[in-house]
Amino acid sequence: DTAVSQTPKYLVTQMGNDKSIKCEQNLGHDTMYWYKQDSKKFLKIMFSYNNKELIINETVPNRFSPKSPDKAHLNLHINSLELGDSAVYFCASSQDLKQPQHFGDGTRLSIL
Amino acid sequence: AQSVTQLDSHVSVSEGTPVLLRCNYSSSYSPSLFWYVQHPNKGLQLLLKYTSAATLVKGINGFEAEFKKSETSFHLTKPSAHMSDAAEYFCVVSGDGGYNKLIFGAGTRLAVHP
Repeated sequence: DTAVSQTPKYLVTQMGNDKSIKCEQNLGHDTMYWYKQDSKKFLKIMFSYNNKELIINETVPNRFSPKSPDKAHLNLHINSLELGDSAVYFCASSQDLKQPQHFGDGTRLSIL
Repeated sequence: AQSVTQLDSHVSVSEGTPVLLRCNYSSSYSPSLFWYVQHPNKGLQLLLKYTSAATLVKGINGFEAEFKKSETSFHLTKPSAHMSDAAEYFCVVSGDGGYNKLIFGAGTRLAVHP
């Protein structure tokens, strides 16, 4: 009965590849987010979607493209992976724009 | 612009002793403030939140935090540490234009010794 689930949990791939991370929430929330946590544990928001519309896009390279097919899903596709993309990516959701966010367990992306 | 400063990158306490994790914030808006905890290889769990109601906020697992506007602080405390409290703690500010855009502090790693 995981509230916010991300797949895969671990992703190891080579530079230049394209990969996707999937996120699903079963909380009935309207808003979903992607965060990046670097090797020093610093967390920064990347994107936010509210009712499938993009509302936050934080100076992220256009190699990163979020896709929200419905309110319960927010996937992250990354093209031409670079070494600096190695990080833990967290998905989160909230009831609306004023409620606290619930986080998934993260996807650890390692670029070789 | 909003920002959060966690004053200690590491805090070490003995089991059963009090915990104090310090946080200062800067905000152009009336802020919403949060503390999240991250256990190893896990996502973030909300401990507590302040949203302009009572200045002393009680959270889960015996944690509480006090909002002090004059000091722009939101320190996290617990009277008695437990081994299971060992984790990374993040102080977070929101309220930027109402889009729930969270700004995270750098984190404080809490170690609890027997």
